Amino acid sequence: QLQLQESGPGLVKPSETLSLTCTVSGGSISSSSYYWGWIRQPPGKGLEWIGSIYYSGSTYYNPSLKSRVTISVDTSKNQFSLKLSSVTAADTAVYYCARHRFKYYYDSSGYLDWFDPWGQGTLVTVSS
Amino acid sequence: QSALTQPASVSGSPGQSITISCTGTSSDVGGYNYVSWYQQHPGKAPKLMIYEVSNRPSGVPDRFSGSKSGNTASLTISGLQAEDEADYYCSSYTSSSTVVFGGGTKLTVL
Repeated sequence: QLQLQESGPGLVKPSETLSLTCTVSGGSISSSSYYWGWIRQPPGKGLEWIGSIYYSGSTYYNPSLKSRVTISVDTSKNQFSLKLSSVTAADTAVYYCARHRFKYYYDSSGYLDWFDPWGQGTLVTVSS
Repeated sequence: QSALTQPASVSGSPGQSITISCTGTSSDVGGYNYVSWYQQHPGKAPKLMIYEVSNRPSGVPDRFSGSKSGNTASLTISGLQAEDEADYYCSSYTSSSTVVFGGGTKLTVL
């Protein structure tokens, strides 16, 4: 049974960089047909997709966060990571990692599809 | 990218049916069949309920169904049960090769 677990500091100071890691167990991060994604949820608010990465390093990012986001993958550790720079209080949220289905077709077109399973989430608070 | 539009809240009595709408544009919901729905109970991670507009993952009750017409996708829950009370989110692939979520709908079982 595939499981994902987020880890990282729960408190980050304004203007610093938020760093989180997602560890995948019960399956390989190098699986074809799947990207690995980060999603966040500010307290009391809705979900926001941050970005997703393939085991080869190919990425897709939310345009509204792209300038501050870096997602990387370490296949040897079966992990992928999120870095969000220059954080402010608006970045306070529960951060989730999830497996992200990717539909690839013979004509080389590809589409980001559903998220499943999700990690339990980790609350990151931006405060001095 | 703008969030997909969902009603803030819906409610229904046990045994009844409810429908939650998710409205986008021809660049997301209307243009692709990569619409999915997630259920989130308080303090828990979201759970995939419907994928690719109308497909149910294994283990999801057949009381949950999805559909799409034009730029609007819908999640219908029939035979409402107390355990269905939760927040529901839709998401869609977009023409910019990104993913956008709806604002979420709080379902109350009366």
